[in-house]
Amino acid sequence: GAVVSQHPSRVICKSGTSVKIECRSLDFQATTMFWYRQFPKQSLMLMATSNEGSKATYEQGVEKDKFLINHASLTLSTLTVTSAHPEDSSFYICSASGREGFRYFGPGTRLTVT
Amino acid sequence: LAKTTQPISMDSYEGQEVNITCSHNNIATNDYITWYQQFPSQGPRFIIQGYKTKVTNEVASLFIPADRKSSTLSLPRVSLSDTAVYYCLGGNSGNTPLVFGKGTRLSVIA
Repeated sequence: GAVVSQHPSRVICKSGTSVKIECRSLDFQATTMFWYRQFPKQSLMLMATSNEGSKATYEQGVEKDKFLINHASLTLSTLTVTSAHPEDSSFYICSASGREGFRYFGPGTRLTVT
Repeated sequence: LAKTTQPISMDSYEGQEVNITCSHNNIATNDYITWYQQFPSQGPRFIIQGYKTKVTNEVASLFIPADRKSSTLSLPRVSLSDTAVYYCLGGNSGNTPLVFGKGTRLSVIA
């Protein structure tokens, strides 16, 4: 079946630095990918919709200048957390739609900001 | 986007059948109902999807009544490894995002 990968699986960074998370669709092309954030014991919260070749659409309350999304190809979307702070520590998950319309989710990236 | 309501948690003993019901009163005509399973520190995993009546695959069954305002995920003979959070979502196969509700935390006890 279709697979979505994320890299890195976990990252620790210092406050004030930037971190880039990659999301790849391994065996299918995805014109649209989605980024979610999940805090402990909570549900997934949609952050933004990433469209190949165009600007991402951000959900209300998500700072587009802080969470930079780039979808430069049909198999890769990146989320960059700029000037990270401890409150940005979370589990970040991407999702992509396969040809048959099913949504596949990546394994997630655990970000810890110290 | 369909808003869903599920029980916050459920407990079950190993070997029992577990039924988790989800309410989605405002589901759109072209929305499918999809269930995902999530283990801690992992991304959600697709379980089953349906539009109406009954769908069955190797891991679960999905029952959807004619009015489509609710759905029930049925897990036959659960094991300890089925302990997870289960989410039901309404959405179509287009490029609109899936919005997650709170999910149901299933705990399977030996």
